Amino acid sequence: GAVVSQHPSWVICKSGTSVKIECRSLDFQATTMFWYRQFPKQSLMLMATSNEGSKATYEQGVEKDKFLINHASLTLSTLTVTSAHPEDSSFYICSAPVRDRGYEQYFGPGTRLTVT
Amino acid sequence: KQEVTQIPAALSVPEGENLVLNCSFTDSAIYNLQWFRQDPGKGLTSLLLIQSSQREQTSGRLNASLDKSSGRSTLYIAASQPGDSATYLCAVYSGTYKYIFGTGTRLKVLA
Repeated sequence: GAVVSQHPSWVICKSGTSVKIECRSLDFQATTMFWYRQFPKQSLMLMATSNEGSKATYEQGVEKDKFLINHASLTLSTLTVTSAHPEDSSFYICSAPVRDRGYEQYFGPGTRLTVT
Repeated sequence: KQEVTQIPAALSVPEGENLVLNCSFTDSAIYNLQWFRQDPGKGLTSLLLIQSSQREQTSGRLNASLDKSSGRSTLYIAASQPGDSATYLCAVYSGTYKYIFGTGTRLKVLA
């Protein structure tokens, strides 16, 4: 149990376009999901906390108008990178804590975004 | 502000060795600590979760300990195998839904 999926697993887009990444909890409900960004050979950087039915909480330095987060249901959160630029190219990973398991975090497989 | 550090940053060992990865955190007021494994280009796989009231957890060849008072956790890997090669990350949860990740240890086990 406690499986988190992400779609797509990889995407290439042109500069200036927008890209939507989905994060789903497949067998549990997630009122909270996290979005991380990871650069090569670096650790995960928390971008924002996605809250079901309310606004996301963004970490300092993360542009909320550029990285739009929507958590419309208890099993789905989406991250939309708007007007993407090459510097947005990165590995984006989502996760969800399972309260019944002591808030153990489960991660999606990640999405590799390349902006050309 | 919670800061999590992992030592060493990289480690290369011959197959069969027992090894210890270290994770230290600056604020001992944590809810839990979790160890993860990440293979290149992949997401994170949870290895062990230690609640703040626990001192250690074991799973197969892995044993993780937690000393809250000193702000330390160690991940012990027994009889290492080439398949253990990956990056190992620790993360602490301090409540308010914030997980802070360590810098990671890149492990390479040589056959």
